[in-house]
Amino acid sequence: KQEVTQIPAALSVPEGENLVLNCSFTDSAIYNLQWFRQDPGKGLTSLLLIQSSQREQTSGRLNASLDKSSGRSTLYIAASQPGDSATYLCAVNRGQAGTALIFGKGTTLSVSS
Amino acid sequence: GAVVSQHPSWVICKSGTSVKIECRSLDFQATTMFWYRQFPKQSLMLMATSNEGSKATYEQGVEKDKFLINHASLTLSTLTVTSAHPEDSSFYICSARDFDRPGNTIYFGEGSWLTVV
Repeated sequence: KQEVTQIPAALSVPEGENLVLNCSFTDSAIYNLQWFRQDPGKGLTSLLLIQSSQREQTSGRLNASLDKSSGRSTLYIAASQPGDSATYLCAVNRGQAGTALIFGKGTTLSVSS
Repeated sequence: GAVVSQHPSWVICKSGTSVKIECRSLDFQATTMFWYRQFPKQSLMLMATSNEGSKATYEQGVEKDKFLINHASLTLSTLTVTSAHPEDSSFYICSARDFDRPGNTIYFGEGSWLTVV
């Protein structure tokens, strides 16, 4: 059974810091991995999608890496801003195209000004 | 704009009643939709996979007779919480895949807050 773990559970940083969020998964046979952002009481916003054949994806100040063999992914946020404060969720596709995503519990990020 | 729409955004119902939540794909056909539940400070837990024109596939531990899923058209799936109890209060969110987009892009609805009193 695929399990997704995110560390740390919560993180508080001052504005401007670079930070790394970690995600690990137990079954390396994934189709892809996706990072989402969730604001309190809201739905999900997709940030980055990494296919199993890819090593990383970048979007603006965000960079996500994938090491499928070791079952790990990291989300790097450069020059953090208060507007980045949210919960960041990592999710993996269960190994076949078209299947559901399995989510980690998330990392709640607070960026102070 | 949103490509998957959920309705209602929030609902309060009395214990013992049933409540229906709709999930619509707005500009693509979704043969498969997924329903998740999220308790406060917890992750999204997959409840079931909704397949157009056939029975839903439920995850272990999810009562199919309590959480009725209907996917009668290519753009609409509904989740009905029957005989709701306070412990069913949660955030319910649906998602759908667009198989015509690269990577079979998955989209999420805005979620529905259910409070059972």
